Amino acid sequence: DTGVSQNPRHKITKRGQNVTFRCDPISEHNRLYWYRQTLGQGPEFLTYFQNEAQLEKSRLLSDRFSAERPKGSFSTLEIQRTEQGDSAMYLCASSLGGANGYTFGSGTRLTVV
Amino acid sequence: KQEVTQIPAALSVPEGENLVLNCSFTDSAIYNLQWFRQDPGKGLTSLLLIQSSQREQTSGRLNASLDKSSGRSTLYIAASQPGDSATYLCAVSHQQGANQAGTALIFGKGTTLSVSS
Repeated sequence: DTGVSQNPRHKITKRGQNVTFRCDPISEHNRLYWYRQTLGQGPEFLTYFQNEAQLEKSRLLSDRFSAERPKGSFSTLEIQRTEQGDSAMYLCASSLGGANGYTFGSGTRLTVV
Repeated sequence: KQEVTQIPAALSVPEGENLVLNCSFTDSAIYNLQWFRQDPGKGLTSLLLIQSSQREQTSGRLNASLDKSSGRSTLYIAASQPGDSATYLCAVSHQQGANQAGTALIFGKGTTLSVSS
C-alpha cells in the first residue's frame, strides 16, 4: 500500500474552464475527505464520504463543486467554471474512522489564470 | 463553533535547541487531536495522534501532550535539527454519533519552524 495518491500534482487552468481531480485512498479505508488549503492557512474541510455515500458537505462547497466516490474506492472532485479564487491546494485524506487518525495525500495544486 | 489557534505563527531557533509549539481549541469536547507536519508545497504528514482520553503521545524526539479540560495541546521537539524545518499543524475532531466515529478535522493555521545550522 503506497498511501493516499492524488492526481494530478499540479493543474494550471484558464478561468471558466472545468477541472477534475482524483484521489485514491488507502484501500481498506472506508472514509474519504476533501480539504482546501490556501497560502498561510490551515486546510479547510470541503466534503466527506463513508464508502460511496457523501455524508457531509461544507458551506465552502458551492454549486460549482461536485464530488463523487462511485464504488467506495477512488474519489473525484470537479470544479466547474473555475474562478481565480479557486486557486488553492486541494488535499484528500482517508481514514478507517473510529479511533484512527487521518492519512493525507500530497495534494493537487490548482492555479486559475 | 470550534476554533483552533496555534502560537507562535513562526519560530526560528538554532540547531540543538528544545522547543514547544502551542495549540489551543475553544470547544473541549473533542474526539481526538492530531499533529501534522507540512513541507512547503507538499501534503500533510501525520506526526502524533492523541485520543481524548490520553494525556500524551511520544514518537522519537517528539512529544505531544493534551489537556482537554483547558483546551490545550503542546508539541515538544527535542534537540531540533535543520530537517525539522517545516510548518506544524494541529487539528481536532469531534465525536459523531453512537459509533464514536470522528468528524472531519478542524485545523489551526500552523506554526512555521525554521531551524538554523
